[in-house]
Amino acid sequence: DIQMTQSPSSLSASVGDRVTITCRASQDIRDYLGWYQQKPGKAPKRLIYAASSLQSGVPSRFSGSGSGTEFTLTVSSLQPEDFATYYCLQHNSYPWTFGQGTKVEIK
Amino acid sequence: EVQLVESGGGLVQPGGSLRLSCAASGFTFSDYWMHWVRQAPGKGLVWVSRISSDGSSPAYADSVKGRFSVSRDNAKDTLSLQMNSLRPEDTAVYYCARAGGCGGGRSCPFDYWSQGTLVTVSS
Repeated sequence: DIQMTQSPSSLSASVGDRVTITCRASQDIRDYLGWYQQKPGKAPKRLIYAASSLQSGVPSRFSGSGSGTEFTLTVSSLQPEDFATYYCLQHNSYPWTFGQGTKVEIK
Repeated sequence: EVQLVESGGGLVQPGGSLRLSCAASGFTFSDYWMHWVRQAPGKGLVWVSRISSDGSSPAYADSVKGRFSVSRDNAKDTLSLQMNSLRPEDTAVYYCARAGGCGGGRSCPFDYWSQGTLVTVSS
């Protein structure tokens, strides 16, 4: 199975901050990576697919980059509605696996 | 509008069975591979199962293999998960999810999710 190591597991940030979350895959997954945002009691929402393609309707302050084994999600200017938990997902091979999540909290 | 509406969760004793259903609307259900994902209370997301668009290719996480069975009825736009021999560690919110929406005929990650249904396995 491919292990997805996400870091940090949590972070505190202020509105307007630039935030970066990293996912490392235990083997090459090409660009078969998505990023999700989840708020308490809600289903996850897709932000990024194919490592760097912005999901329609998602604000442009979200961006993704990387290929192979190293990936990042960046929020260029954190907004109040962005406080949530973020997950990466590899879908290069089964079983599909998620990172353990990054909880973004208000400083 | 794409919608995935789940039903069938609840409280079940260890060793018992439960069947989850996911009713799809707003898209051509038979064109998409469908998945089940679960999330234990306070924990992360875990992929559980998938089924191909025509139902011919199911797959499972090792943790549920031999106990869970995924199926679909493309005539009724419905996805199902039959869960047998349930264990306390199966307690989770279960989501059905569509894989699609990235074009080009390539593998796509989940783009639409159901609201989730809680399955509690406890005596």
